[in-house]
This record gives sequence, structure tokens and C-alpha cells, in this order.
Amino acid sequence: EAGVTQSPTHLIKTRGQQATLRCSPISGHTSVYWYQQALGLGLQFLLWYDEGEERNRGNFPPRFSGRQFPNYSSELNVNALELEDSALYLCASRGGYTFGSGTRLTVV
Amino acid sequence: GIQVEQSPPDLILQEGANSTLRCNFSYSVNNLQWFHQNPWGQLINLFYIPSGTKQNGRLSATTVATERYSLLYISSSQTTDSGVYFCAVEGRGGGADGLTFGKGTHLIIQP
Repeated sequence: EAGVTQSPTHLIKTRGQQATLRCSPISGHTSVYWYQQALGLGLQFLLWYDEGEERNRGNFPPRFSGRQFPNYSSELNVNALELEDSALYLCASRGGYTFGSGTRLTVV
Repeated sequence: GIQVEQSPPDLILQEGANSTLRCNFSYSVNNLQWFHQNPWGQLINLFYIPSGTKQNGRLSATTVATERYSLLYISSSQTTDSGVYFCAVEGRGGGADGLTFGKGTHLIIQP
């Protein structure tokens, strides 16, 4: 079976712009988790989607939002980008957590 | 929330050496996983081990749930074992907070 896929691999944006990151979970998995790994801050829980609904969010401002589609793929949107949003964004499919290869977002 | 502490934070070894990485957690957990993060950032799942002992080749892991710790053993280290090893736990809340990660052990295997 295909694993968790994320796109794009790399993304460069200017401060103030919006970024959109995408994740497709393992086929049949309905839960998607988003994590941020910023330099020096470790892996931090961002958002949890299950069955099309946002179920929980971590300690992040409302600029971080997303959605889950009927096919359970998910989109993470980061509005009004700030320099400190530069990080590796990882998504995981739950059923024993399996991670995608991530999107490296750079804000300049 | 759950606290996850990993030790040591850094470890430098020669190829062929053995190592033990430790993970302590503050509450009872539903799930504990060990991951290896490769240089490109991908988290590779090594073990799903909420309790007991598992082995996979040169790697093995033991979790003592009643004492809230887990150990990852790497034997006969190879340079390809280098990277960051994370321990992560899921609390009893049914996955609402996903996994809580430790800060990782940065392992360098020198040839």
C-alpha cells in the first residue's frame, strides 16, 4: 500500500503570503495529524483531522488552519506568513502513526 | 500534558559499538513509538512498543510501562545509523493530542 504522501517537498514564500501544504494518508486511514518541526523547538502537534472534521489543535495561532476532504486527504494553510513559520511540516496517518516525508517551508 | 524526556541528548560512537537510548514519560500511555529521523527529515517508524520487548535486526526496544520508561538498543552500529532518534507517546486521551515527542537523541556513528 502507498504510504503517507506530502506535497510540495519544498516551498519558499515571502513574509505575509499564504502557504498551502497537502497530505494524503494511507488508504483507509481517516485521521490526519499535522506537526511542525522548527529549528530548536522539536516536533510540536499542530492539528488533528478525523472523518472530515477538525478534532483538536495545538498551541498555534488561528493563522494555522486546514481542512480534510471526503477522501481523507488534508490541507494545511498558513496565512500571513512570518519568518518563524519556517520549519519542516510533517503529517501523519494514524493507525500506528506513520509519517510522510514532510514539506520544508522557508519564509523569506 | 505528558512529559517525555530522552537521554542522552547527544551520542558519538565508533562504528561497531553498541548503544542504549532511554525515554522516560510522565503518565500512563496508550502507545509508544521510536522513530529515526533521517538527514532529509523523514521520520522512520522503528518500533510500536507500548509495553514489552521487540527486536528487528540490530535494533531492539523494551518498554516497562509500570515504571514509565522505554529503552532502544542499537548493536554493532553502522554509519547509516546516524541521525536523530525520537521517542513519542500517545496519552490515554484517545489520540486527541496525537503523539508527544521527546527532544531526541542525536547519534553520530564515526567510521
